[in-house]
Amino acid sequence: GQQLNQSPQSMFIQEGEDVSMNCTSSSIFNTWLWYKQDPGEGPVLLIALYKAGELTSNGRLTAQFGITRKDSFLNISASIPSDVGIYFCAGQGSQGAQKLVFGQGTRLTINP
Amino acid sequence: GAVVSQHPSRVICKSGTSVKIECRSLDFQATTMFWYRQFPKQSLMLMATSNEGSKATYEQGVEKDKFLINHASLTLSTLTVTSAHPEDSSFYICSARGQLADTQYFGPGTRLTVL
Repeated sequence: GQQLNQSPQSMFIQEGEDVSMNCTSSSIFNTWLWYKQDPGEGPVLLIALYKAGELTSNGRLTAQFGITRKDSFLNISASIPSDVGIYFCAGQGSQGAQKLVFGQGTRLTINP
Repeated sequence: GAVVSQHPSRVICKSGTSVKIECRSLDFQATTMFWYRQFPKQSLMLMATSNEGSKATYEQGVEKDKFLINHASLTLSTLTVTSAHPEDSSFYICSARGQLADTQYFGPGTRLTVL
């Protein structure tokens, strides 16, 4: 079945540093989504990408939909303590294929 | 963004009992709802997809007689864990997708503990 490889699995950074994480797939996706999950909560949508090559920002977050449609990255600039959490990428194949395929998650820890 | 609620947020039950979890889309009509479970330090695992008014489609390995899903309206889906056992203890999360949306919006999750 389809799988997403998300890396890194965990990151330990200093407050103020920039963060970069990515997802790759052996399959093509038509939509890439990035979610953040806090402990004991459901995932919250951060950025949605619908076109190959698309670069989208949401505040300090920037994500890109790879040209090949098999990868995506998420960058966080000038990290702050509330950025701590687990970040998941998710891909959706086509409009008729409703299911999302999730990456394994990137656990972000920030030292103040 | 769209708001999805879940109730209860936390439930503890005895082994052998049944537990019902509700998922509601509060500000949009959800033609499709999804149920996931998540074990500690793991990613979300899709259990089933339900479309309003029709039977749910279960993922391979998920027992449909154990995890009963009802999507009776465009704003409500329920997951009933029947004859719960300790191994069913997990974090259950629903998500909802509207008619035009290409994204899924997640509920806050329900922590189930079976004693």
